[in-house]
Amino acid sequence: GAGVSQSPSNKVTEKGKDVELRCDPISGHTALYWYRQRLGQGLEFLIYFQGNSAPDKSGLPSDRFSAERTGESVSTLTIQRTQQEDSAVYLCASSQIAGGYNEQFFGPGTRLTVL
Amino acid sequence: AQSVTQLDSQVPVFEEAPVELRCNYSSSVSVYLFWYVQYPNQGLQLLLKYLSGSTLVESINGFEAEFNKSQTSFHLRKPSVHISDTAEYFCAVSDQGAQKLVFGQGTRLTINP
Repeated sequence: GAGVSQSPSNKVTEKGKDVELRCDPISGHTALYWYRQRLGQGLEFLIYFQGNSAPDKSGLPSDRFSAERTGESVSTLTIQRTQQEDSAVYLCASSQIAGGYNEQFFGPGTRLTVL
Repeated sequence: AQSVTQLDSQVPVFEEAPVELRCNYSSSVSVYLFWYVQYPNQGLQLLLKYLSGSTLVESINGFEAEFNKSQTSFHLRKPSVHISDTAEYFCAVSDQGAQKLVFGQGTRLTINP
């Protein structure tokens, strides 16, 4: 596609429910990243994929968070048993290949609100 | 672990005035440095980057940043700002060999007429 897309753009859920956030990277980009941006804070790295594997999951805050990527394309970030502190904007980015020198292209984000 | 500090959370300036947004990072190992910009209601986009070579890098819209290894800084400057520069600016660092970016907390630049 023309850019990174994410869905839904907004998600309001009740505490304790599970949510799935979706990311469609730029076609042909093999690296995909998930970040979280809490209100008034910078972006926190969560996880990155090279192809379908996730070499670095170090940023996932708890075992309630998981992510997968299939077909070197779409990725889903799943948060189980959501808590109010999970409220944030979740950003996805992709780059041609993994590597800190490569420009990451960001999607518009999913704003998650946990009531 | 690498960390990035943007000392100013908000910077208000008048139109056509100069501006400097400060960024310091913690680790002195070899790094790649980036400034990303987020305009109102838009996604993050790359403004400029330093990978190697000349320590002064420029963007197409008049911003520049200088890599200072001894001070572990990568401050962003523009000699004369425009209303359209109103946005949030994020400094990001990647250690060479690392895959992820470490971001600062962002600086909201507000331009007053």
